[in-house]
Amino acid sequence: KNEVEQSPQNLTAQEGEFITINCSYSVGISALHWLQQHPGGGIVSLFMLSSGKKKHGRLIATINIQEKHSSLHITASHPRDSAVYICAVRFRVIKSQGNLIFGKGTKLSVKP
Amino acid sequence: DVKVTQSSRYLVKRTGEKVFLECVQDMDHENMFWYRQDPGLGLRLIYFSYDVKMKEKGDIPEGYSVSREKKERFSLILESASTNQTSMYLCASSSPWGTVEQFFGPGTRLTVL
Repeated sequence: KNEVEQSPQNLTAQEGEFITINCSYSVGISALHWLQQHPGGGIVSLFMLSSGKKKHGRLIATINIQEKHSSLHITASHPRDSAVYICAVRFRVIKSQGNLIFGKGTKLSVKP
Repeated sequence: DVKVTQSSRYLVKRTGEKVFLECVQDMDHENMFWYRQDPGLGLRLIYFSYDVKMKEKGDIPEGYSVSREKKERFSLILESASTNQTSMYLCASSSPWGTVEQFFGPGTRLTVL
């Protein structure tokens, strides 16, 4: 059973729409990451957070530790935001240092 | 900037061939990881290494081995490639301290015929 659940799996939006991608996890974590993967494969880190909220340009990430839930928001979406967005967590009780557990990703397509 | 490079972007091999995938990082990171990524399954950890010559199995090590002779280089080896090993392979590195943010290479898309 995957311990990190993302929703939705696929998302299609019109340019300019506000987008929300959700991530839920099963037990206590020490950190949560949001990653972006464009067609072609390369993955880049967008945010790392352990509490509260972070903002970078049109991207906002929030986390609710009590509810074990995080959201990634994109304001004024643009076709160049089309990518797969991946949530990854580092659980507090870890088998080995540095390991992340990944969600299956949300494929976002923004139409012009 | 952290840079993680992988030896090939695309690779086509035949069933039974021995395949080497190389990964190099330039940030003196202790941790290095090999993942495979398949549609609907997300990223799955094959092996990781937390120091030179040290390795641990991830979630799906069967059919793979690894080598870490130098800190900056982590190799993934498919001893006898099979068609079910057709996948995207991603390497990553991180420091074991602080945020443990992982930095990813561009990926190698391997096709086994």
